[in-house]
Amino acid sequence: GQNIDQPTEMTATEGAIVQINCTYQTSGFNGLFWYQQHAGEAPTFLSYNVLDGLEEKGRFSSFLSRSKGYSYLLLKELQMKDSASYLCAVRAPGYQGGKLIFGQGTELSVKP
Amino acid sequence: GAGVSQSPSNKVTEKGKDVELRCDPISGHTALYWYRQSLGQGLEFLIYFQGNSAPDKSGLPSDRFSAERTGGSVSTLTIQRTQQEDSAVYLCASRGGQRGEQFFGPGTRLTVL
Repeated sequence: GQNIDQPTEMTATEGAIVQINCTYQTSGFNGLFWYQQHAGEAPTFLSYNVLDGLEEKGRFSSFLSRSKGYSYLLLKELQMKDSASYLCAVRAPGYQGGKLIFGQGTELSVKP
Repeated sequence: GAGVSQSPSNKVTEKGKDVELRCDPISGHTALYWYRQSLGQGLEFLIYFQGNSAPDKSGLPSDRFSAERTGGSVSTLTIQRTQQEDSAVYLCASRGGQRGEQFFGPGTRLTVL
């Protein structure tokens, strides 16, 4: 089966660092994506990992361990505008058309 | 436009009616996906189109759901005899970019009364 787990909710303080974890068990793997979704808006692409290790892009970093079926998204210097839902998604192998299998999302609230 | 567009943005219908949802992908993107997001739930894959290949319909929840893509561009998702459990936001995405990331449209919020 396909299973992707993320915490449902997290709260953090403006200026702090937060780590959102994602674990997955899927029948195939062709990369892991993180998306940000503000309420009532479309998901927007944040990061992509296909090899083990850390990918850094500005205030956002994402880590992948394929052997552990584990990823995290790290957000630094939190801003109020970072309050959103963060979606972890595994891409199915090419023969399955590259469809994304999503976790339920983590609702992050940034407090002043 | 530069992004994925969807119409209508909101649709309210009565149980038992048919609805059609439209998606215009980013120009040049050959892969198109439909997802559904129910309240408090993650995105659920519905169907995928790639070029002239047969679509992957493995995510469609019942035979009341169908989709087509004309001319390799615009796609229409049709739900026949709508039920209240069909109420959700229906998102369309097209695939591009260096990493093959999917770009999402703003969605159609469907409410079945």
